[in-house]
Amino acid sequence: GAGVSQSPSNKVTEKGKDVELRCDPISGHTALYWYRQSLGQGLEFLIYFQGNSAPDKSGLPSDRFSAERTGGSVSTLTIQRTQQEDSAVYLCASSPIGTGGNEQFFGPGTRLTVL
Amino acid sequence: QKEVEQDPGPLSVPEGAIVSLNCTYSNSAFQYFMWYRQYSRKGPELLMYTYSSGNKEDGRFTAQVDKSSKYISLFIRDSQPSDSATYLCAMSGTGGYNKLIFGAGTRLAVHP
Repeated sequence: GAGVSQSPSNKVTEKGKDVELRCDPISGHTALYWYRQSLGQGLEFLIYFQGNSAPDKSGLPSDRFSAERTGGSVSTLTIQRTQQEDSAVYLCASSPIGTGGNEQFFGPGTRLTVL
Repeated sequence: QKEVEQDPGPLSVPEGAIVSLNCTYSNSAFQYFMWYRQYSRKGPELLMYTYSSGNKEDGRFTAQVDKSSKYISLFIRDSQPSDSATYLCAMSGTGGYNKLIFGAGTRLAVHP
């Protein structure tokens, strides 16, 4: 079946612009996670959704970052007023019910470059 | 100190070698341990998933967890050039849902 998909695959933007990153999880997966992967920092957790609710936003680095999920499916990560340090690969993962989130399936990521 | 420590490598081995990849961790609450493989410019792919201490084998891959030492390993037997990738360990607790805490990843190159 189809895996996790993310769009765009690459995004180049200018400092100060807003960007939206999209994630389509595996159909039926109730849990959705956003991570960020940058050089020197490894993979860092950003936010977790269960259905449309986000019980854990503890990884969002600043209030410029926000995310939403609608219909228990698609999620959008928005970064406002982008900064150069936001440059990274943003990865989305989804997890089926019953696994406690321990089996997470990742998408290919969106490579964000802020000039 | 990071919660999960992993030597970034790179590790270079000849085809057919046995590869040993390792992580150490500091949080005794971790109960679930995973290994992901990530090819260049791709998302991580779940390879192995174990709960608590013990061994798990899947084909050429064996995962070991020693909770008393806070040490996990992934062994790859008969390594192939197609195994060349970055290997990430990840772990989580028992909070009912689990954000994963990742190691930095070890870059492996298997040369023919």
